Formats: sequence, structure tokens, C-alpha cells
Amino acid sequence: LAKTTQPISMDSYEGQEVNITCSHNNIATNDYITWYQQFPSQGPRFIIQGYKTKVTNEVASLFIPADRKSSTLSLPRVSLSDTAVYYCLVGDRSSGGYNKLIFGAGTRLAVHP
Amino acid sequence: ETGVTQTPRHLVMGMTNKKSLKCEQHLGHNAMYWYKQSAKKPLELMFVYNFKEQTENNSVPSRFSPECPNSSHLFLHLHTLQPEDSALYLCASSQEGRTSSYNEQFFGPGTRLTVL
Repeated sequence: LAKTTQPISMDSYEGQEVNITCSHNNIATNDYITWYQQFPSQGPRFIIQGYKTKVTNEVASLFIPADRKSSTLSLPRVSLSDTAVYYCLVGDRSSGGYNKLIFGAGTRLAVHP
Repeated sequence: ETGVTQTPRHLVMGMTNKKSLKCEQHLGHNAMYWYKQSAKKPLELMFVYNFKEQTENNSVPSRFSPECPNSSHLFLHLHTLQPEDSALYLCASSQEGRTSSYNEQFFGPGTRLTVL
């Protein structure tokens, strides 16, 4: 079963740029890469989604290399309110072509004053 | 507010009880999902419903019984649960039914379940 790999935790300070990388070696050809954010006692919330190269929105940027076996979520100038768990979401290519949703273990980001 | 509501928000039950979790989405979506989130574990997809039909059951024990009477409502019926079933149960919905990460999922706030 394919899986994603992310750092378990990261620490940063207010105003810094944070980059979180997710490895997904068995990503399906037609699948997109999606990142979610989750605060305590809440459901995950969509941040950004991409297929290849770079995607940018008002919240974050997503960098995807040509082989698509990894992706990097970039949060510019983080604030205390960005403290949360970040998940990357990809399809499962190993299940005979049937795409299943698999969340990564998540990266717990702590932003300090 | 994400447009997905879940009730109750907290539930404590004994192992012999029968209870139900309710999810409702106000987004006009066609697909609904149940997830389980245990402490220090990744989100686990339990069930997927597309247009009221169950399209995925990820080897979930039969003590969890989903029901989807229409595209806006999803239930999870619980009976004879075990303490290890204590977790946060999240409901989500998306526009289409294909289980591809292309479709953004909107999550409810979850039901915190404790089994004594």
C-alpha cells in the first residue's frame, strides 16, 4: 500500500517562511496533490492543490518536481495562527488503478513568537 | 463554517450501547465520507458514498454501520463498540464521487467518541 511520508513536526518563528515536504513515490498518473490544514478539535481544511510545477494562492505555494514523487508546501511569513497539523493527500497507485484517498501522517507545525 | 455539520459533537457510550452519529452537508455535493482519527494516527477513510450508494468500505468492522438516505445526510450507526474505537469521527463531502484527490473535501467538526 502506497503511503506518504512527512516530517512529524517542525518549529518556526513568526514572520519566517516554512517549507514542508511530502514524499509520495506511488502517486497515480491522474492524481492531484492536495494539502490540508487541521486545527485541534476541527476537521481538516483545504489549503492548496496542484498537479505539477508550481501553484500559488493567497495562503500558500505548492512546488511539485517533474517526477511528482514529492511535493513541498510553502507558507510565507507564518504567524501564530498557522500552528496546526498539515497533511498531504494523494491517490494510491498501488491498488490496481483504483484511486484511494490516503492522508499522510501529518506534520505538526508550531509557530513561536 | 464549512457547510458540513455533525451531531453530536461529543458522545460517551458503553460497550453495550447503540448510538448513531449524524452528518449533514448543505453544499449540494454528491459524495460523502466517514473518517476515523485516533490519537497520533493518520486519518483513516472508513466509508465512501456516491449518490447515496456505498462505493468503498475500508475493511471496517461490522459494529460500524453506515447509512446514507440521501445525498445530504449520512449516518454512522454504532453498536457493541470497543474502547479502542474511541476517536474523533469526521464526516466530509465533495462535489463528485470519484475517489480522487482532485475533488476538494469539506470536513465537518467531528464527533469526539469515548467508549467506556
